[in-house]
Amino acid sequence: DTGVSQDPRHKITKRGQNVTFRCDPISEHNRLYWYRQTLGQGPEFLTYFQNEAQLEKSRLLSDRFSAERPKGSFSTLEIQRTEQGDSAMYLCASSSGWGANVLTFGAGSRLTVL
Amino acid sequence: ELKVEQNPLFLSMQEGKNYTIYCNYSTTSDRLYWYRQDPGKSLESLFVLLSNGAVKQEGRLMASLDTKARLSTLHITAAVHDLSATYFCAVDPPSGTYKYIFGTGTRLKVLA
Repeated sequence: DTGVSQDPRHKITKRGQNVTFRCDPISEHNRLYWYRQTLGQGPEFLTYFQNEAQLEKSRLLSDRFSAERPKGSFSTLEIQRTEQGDSAMYLCASSSGWGANVLTFGAGSRLTVL
Repeated sequence: ELKVEQNPLFLSMQEGKNYTIYCNYSTTSDRLYWYRQDPGKSLESLFVLLSNGAVKQEGRLMASLDTKARLSTLHITAAVHDLSATYFCAVDPPSGTYKYIFGTGTRLKVLA
């Protein structure tokens, strides 16, 4: 298993454009999480999935953000009409959903909005 | 709403010294996790603490959990330069949703 994969690793976009990030979790993990991390801060919860069901979404997440996990495998996080405040590292993590349920993180997708 | 606080936020220490990082959280939880993050890298799991009084050790790091005090500690023994990183604790809220809340992190720099 290659771990959690995220793509692209870096994205530079202009304000107002839409961006989409993809996450491929560890294959046997049925839970998938999205977090956002800004410089000097801890990861901030955005949303998570149990299989294909989106079970929780942060109140901090505006309507411009949407996430999907079709068929319970990979997930996408789309940001519409990007703003400079969206610049951050977007982290994906997956977990087994049982036992200690340790999150395994991907390398992240860094977004820069100009 | 669950809040997780770490202190200190920054820690500069000499090699060979001992120090402790503290993680306080605001509501009941029996699950606490410690992660390490190197600059420009993602988070790596260090410890999982699943019950009151749990203690885990790996090399020069030892983590403990006191659920009654809502406190976890990460103790560093005889620090070495390779331990320089940012350390985060994360707590699973009591509702059992597995929505982990992370602390702000402790940035550790070990000076040779």
